[in-house]
Amino acid sequence: ELKVEQNPLFLSMQEGKNYTIYCNYSTTSDRLYWYRQDPGKSLESLFVLLSNGAVKQEGRLMASLDTKARLSTLHITAAVHDLSATYFCAVEETSGSRLTFGEGTQLTVNP
Amino acid sequence: GAVVSQHPSRVICKSGTSVKIECRSLDFQATTMFWYRQFPKKSLMLMATSNEGSKATYEQGVEKDKFLINHASLTLSTLTVTSAHPEDSSFYICSVLDRGIEQYFGPGTRLTVT
Repeated sequence: ELKVEQNPLFLSMQEGKNYTIYCNYSTTSDRLYWYRQDPGKSLESLFVLLSNGAVKQEGRLMASLDTKARLSTLHITAAVHDLSATYFCAVEETSGSRLTFGEGTQLTVNP
Repeated sequence: GAVVSQHPSRVICKSGTSVKIECRSLDFQATTMFWYRQFPKKSLMLMATSNEGSKATYEQGVEKDKFLINHASLTLSTLTVTSAHPEDSSFYICSVLDRGIEQYFGPGTRLTVT
C-alpha cells in the first residue's frame, strides 16, 4: 500500500523567509503532484512532476522530484501572506490511476 | 486544464434521507472520474473510481450500497449518499482524468447531515 508523508504538518513563518516542505512516499512512482487548498475551497493544481530530477518553478514556489529517494520538495522563497494555505502532495502509482495524498501542510505566513 | 463543475455546492439534509451530488466535465469527455471525501482539517481520501458505462470501483472500507455512483455519460458522474447520517457530513470532491495524464478537481460539495 502506497503511503505518502508530508512534513511539517504545520508551518508558521514570517514574510520574507524561506522554507521547504517535504513529501516522502513509500513505493516506486515517477508521477507526483502538488496542490494548494484555501479554506472551504477545492484543490488548485500547482505542479506536475513526471520524471526523476524534474524541477518546476512558479513565482515564489519551486518543486522538485527525486524518484530514487522517493522524495519531493516544495520550496518557498521570500514568503508572502498570500501563500498562506494548505499544501498537499499526491502520488500516482501508475499513469491514469488513483492518487494517494499526503496529510497536508498548513502554512501560515505572518507579517 | 479541464473544467469541472459540481452541483450543489452546499447541501443540508436530514438524517435518513438521500442526497445526490453531480460532477460534470464541461469541456471534454471523461471516461474516468474519481470521488474523494475530505473531513475537516484532514486530507483527501479516495472513495471510488467511476468509469463510464461500467460499475464503479470502490476503495476498501467504502460501502458501495451507501455511496451509489453512476457514470452514465462521458460528461456526468453522480454520487448518491443514501440514508445519510451525521457522520457522512463532509466535503465531497470529484475529479476528472484528462487524457490519462492529470486529474482536474471540481469545486467540491459540502454536505451537512442534521
